[in-house]
Parts: sequence; structure tokens; C-alpha cells
Amino acid sequence: EDQVTQSPEALRLQEGESSSLNCSYTVSGLRGLFWYRQDPGKGPEFLFTLYSAGEEKEKERLKATLTKKESFLHITAPKPEDSATYLCAVQGFMEYGNKLVFGAGTILRVKS
Amino acid sequence: NAGVTQTPKFRILKIGQSMTLQCTQDMNHNYMYWYRQDPGMGLKLIYYSVGAGITDKGEVPNGYNVSRSTTEDFPLRLELAAPSQTSVYFCASSYRGNEQFFGPGTRLTVL
Repeated sequence: EDQVTQSPEALRLQEGESSSLNCSYTVSGLRGLFWYRQDPGKGPEFLFTLYSAGEEKEKERLKATLTKKESFLHITAPKPEDSATYLCAVQGFMEYGNKLVFGAGTILRVKS
Repeated sequence: NAGVTQTPKFRILKIGQSMTLQCTQDMNHNYMYWYRQDPGMGLKLIYYSVGAGITDKGEVPNGYNVSRSTTEDFPLRLELAAPSQTSVYFCASSYRGNEQFFGPGTRLTVL
């Protein structure tokens, strides 16, 4: 059974204080690992897809990396507007319908 | 493009009532999904569809039904609402099962 564990559950940062969020996963053949951002009261917003170990993708202050067992979302010099819940999900090759299995998310708060 | 739209935004039901949550996408995506999100629990898949006329159960299908008569619409039906169905419901769509795009959600309370 595919599983995703995200840590920490919550993270408080000062503006400009860089850090990383972790997503550990088990899947029988990784088709893709997805990162989403979710603001309160809204639907998840797609950020990145990673397909193979060693791959990295960047968007503004965010960089996602992937190994065979985990993914990191690095946040460099965060700003208050980066505050949100960050969700990680995996998609296995064996999953009919290309279903995603989500982690519980990391709640990020950035204070000015 | 409006993307994925969901109605209603909020709803309060009494135990035993029924309702349909509407989901429409205008991106011509063949894959569509229904999730529920409970506090601290992440998103759980209820039902999904890989194309018009084809639906299948996800992880938590009990108490729900779906239909997919067109590419654009994927309504979720709740029969005999129970307090355990109090949640936020999200509809999503994707092209060939790649990244999924989510609607704004429906917040449902069953009292």
C-alpha cells in the first residue's frame, strides 16, 4: 500500500529564515511525486511534479528535490505570503486511474 | 477558462437528508476525482472517473455515489447523510492522470 508521511506537522519561521519540509514515501513504482500549496478555505494549488531521484524543480523561493525514499521542499528566505499548508502526494505506476495518495500536510507560518 | 467549479460552497444538512455536490470542469480533462478533507487527515479519495461512463471506488466510498454522463460533469451524491460525513469536499480533474487541478471545495456540516 502506498504511503506518504510529512514532517513536521507545523513549522513556524521568521521572515528570511530558510528551512525544509520533508515528505517520506513508500510506493510500488513511483510514477510521480507532487507538491501542492493550500491556503485556508481554498483548494490545493499545484506546485511541482518530480519523476525520478535526483530531479529538482524551483519556483520563486521554493525548491523541491527527490530521492528514492523522500522529497524535500526547501524554502529560501520565506516571506509571510508563503504561509500555507504544503501537501505532498505520490502516484504509483500500478495505480489504475493514476490516483494520488496524499500526506497530512505541513502547516507553515512565516512571521514578519 | 474557469477551471474546476464546485457548488454549493457551504451546506448544512440534517441527519438522513440527501444532497448532490456539483463539480464541473472546462479543461476537457478525462480524469476526475472526489476527495474529502478532514482536519489533520489529508485528502482521502472517495470516487474517481477515467472518462465519461466510467467510475470506480476510492479509499472511502461508503455513503456516496457518483455518475459521469459527460466529460465536464462529475456530481457526488450523498444518501442518508450522517455526522461522519461532515467534511470539506474537493473535486479535481487531470489530463491523462498527470497533475490534478482542484476546485474551491464544498464545506458540508451534518447535524
